[in-house]
Amino acid sequence: GAVVSQHPSWVICKSGTSVKIECRSLDFQATTMFWYRQFPKQSLMLMATSNEGSKATYEQGVEKDKFLINHASLTLSTLTVTSAHPEDSSFYICSASQFQETQYFGPGTRLLVL
Amino acid sequence: DAKTTQPTSMDCAEGRAANLPCNHSTISGNEYVYWYRQIHSQGPQYIIHGLKNNETNEMASLIITEDRKSSTLILPHATLRDTAVYYCIVRVAQRGIQGAQKLVFGQGTRLTINP
Repeated sequence: GAVVSQHPSWVICKSGTSVKIECRSLDFQATTMFWYRQFPKQSLMLMATSNEGSKATYEQGVEKDKFLINHASLTLSTLTVTSAHPEDSSFYICSASQFQETQYFGPGTRLLVL
Repeated sequence: DAKTTQPTSMDCAEGRAANLPCNHSTISGNEYVYWYRQIHSQGPQYIIHGLKNNETNEMASLIITEDRKSSTLILPHATLRDTAVYYCIVRVAQRGIQGAQKLVFGQGTRLTINP
């Protein structure tokens, strides 16, 4: 149980385009979903937290207009990187939890912006 | 900032018990200790968590000191597939969202299991 999927697993895009990443909880209802970013040889950094049906709460220093998060259902959250630039290239990982219990992580999405 | 400190790296022989220490001296009374591991290029995998009592599941055991200022994750019979970065995390309250908690990842311990 407690399986979280992400799609796509990797994406390459041109600078200036937007990219959408999906995060799904497959076998439980995720009342809260989290989005993290991980640069090479670094640890995970929390970007934002979203509760189903509510606006996301962003961590300090994360641009909310650049990283759009939607959590419209109890099984799906999306992260859209708008006007992506090479510095946005990173490993994006989501996690999901039910009622603030244990977070279960997805496999991650590797984004490369050319 | 993360509320935990861990050794940067550790080695363990295959088949032996791997004991990974973690210090969390500023932990509050209602904050849980979580352990995750991350194998290269994958999302973190949940291992175990605890509050005060020692915990055991099919993957590992978690020993928390009585004063809760440190803990040890024990992998009883390490295999080569246990090679990963292990994160000890204190789950903390999240500002701005009532009742919400969040994980703050530190640098973790890179555990290498040797044949």
